[in-house]
Amino acid sequence: NAGVTQTPKFRVLKTGQSMTLLCAQDMNHEYMYWYRQDPGMGLRLIHYSVGEGTTAKGEVPDGYNVSRLKKQNFLLGLESAAPSQTSVYFCASCLAGSYEQYFGPGTRLTVT
Amino acid sequence: GEDVEQSLFLSVREGDSSVINCTYTDSSSTYLYWYKQEPGAGLQLLTYIFSNMDMKQDQRLTVLLNKKDKHLSLRIADTQTGDSAIYFCARGNQGGKLIFGQGTELSVKP
Repeated sequence: NAGVTQTPKFRVLKTGQSMTLLCAQDMNHEYMYWYRQDPGMGLRLIHYSVGEGTTAKGEVPDGYNVSRLKKQNFLLGLESAAPSQTSVYFCASCLAGSYEQYFGPGTRLTVT
Repeated sequence: GEDVEQSLFLSVREGDSSVINCTYTDSSSTYLYWYKQEPGAGLQLLTYIFSNMDMKQDQRLTVLLNKKDKHLSLRIADTQTGDSAIYFCARGNQGGKLIFGQGTELSVKP
């Protein structure tokens, strides 16, 4: 049981490049989330999903897209990366009706 | 101001008690949480409290909730160097979105 895993762990992009971050969970959780963490600002919710095929915007969705084609995977896409998207990205998941979110180890993204 | 606020730093000596404070503005949440983040790692749920409770104790951890003042605190008894980390306060609803504070960096000196 690996819990929540994220791929890749680190990435450096040039402005304008695109990439996809992958989150996978093996706990059969219905809900999945993408957060970004910036110094002095805590974690902020980008997008979330309450089930396969459904996604919704969080607090800071601009510049990101997501997809949840399979229950166990939640993808975060950056179509045209900007330096303001330099951050640490965390994925989380939880059971529907649960109080506890389980977090992945994070992806450190730098956009130059 | 921010919805959930915490002071950024706290320094204590090993063996002392640590108290990390959090204030929030929206009292509609069902749960209030404390998460711990060690360097280079994700967040780990430490403890949580239902919004209709005043206190919860779990081994060395004590959570106090003052609903009138919208104030949440986490007390760590007999603080150890392994407790050095960033502690996040968060509010949320069952299975729903979490709103985090900025995080308090706890430094434990031997």
